[in-house]
Amino acid sequence: NAGVTQTPKFRVLKTGQSMTLLCAQDMNHEYMYWYRQDPGMGLRLIHYSVGEGTTAKGEVPDGYNVSRLKKQNFLLGLESAAPSQTSVYFCASSTMDLAPNYGYTFGSGTRLTVV
Amino acid sequence: AQSVAQPEDQVNVAEGNPLTVKCTYSVSGNPYLFWYVQYPNRGLQFLLKYITGDNLVKGSYGFEAEFNKSQTSFHLKKPSALVSDSALYFCAVRESNAGNMLTFGGGTRLMVKP
Repeated sequence: NAGVTQTPKFRVLKTGQSMTLLCAQDMNHEYMYWYRQDPGMGLRLIHYSVGEGTTAKGEVPDGYNVSRLKKQNFLLGLESAAPSQTSVYFCASSTMDLAPNYGYTFGSGTRLTVV
Repeated sequence: AQSVAQPEDQVNVAEGNPLTVKCTYSVSGNPYLFWYVQYPNRGLQFLLKYITGDNLVKGSYGFEAEFNKSQTSFHLKKPSALVSDSALYFCAVRESNAGNMLTFGGGTRLMVKP
């Protein structure tokens, strides 16, 4: 039972480069989320999706794009990386919000450094 | 709007002593409350949750939390701390109505010393 899998686990980018972070879940969850975690800032929501083909902006969406072409996958893209995007990125998934077993399952994170 | 506060950045406790990690919340309606733990270089792991029912919730690794509606609190507790409990703990809340997502607190680092 893999749960939520994030790839890659580590990445170093040069300023201006682009990359895509992949999140895959095997729990048939409807909802998926991308967070970033920075020291002293807790978890901040970047984008989220409430179903296949849908996405929405979270608290800190600027500089990121997302896509959810398949229910099990949620991609986070950085078109032109900036040093301010150096962070640890977490993907999470959950059941629909009124499901009795509601709760988030997190991936193990991607540590991104932009130099 | 919903919000959650963890007033302590760090809690220090000696092994074998009881521990408490504080969490207070603000929602318009009824809350769903969660605690997650993050070990170094790992993702967040679910500890316990309160949705409805008994105010005392028991979770993984011997942790428990008490929902206190009048004080809008959901403090995490354990009777006897272990060194292996040292980690970052996050409280999270959402309103029970549809269309809401979890809001996370800033996290509290728990340090258990031998």
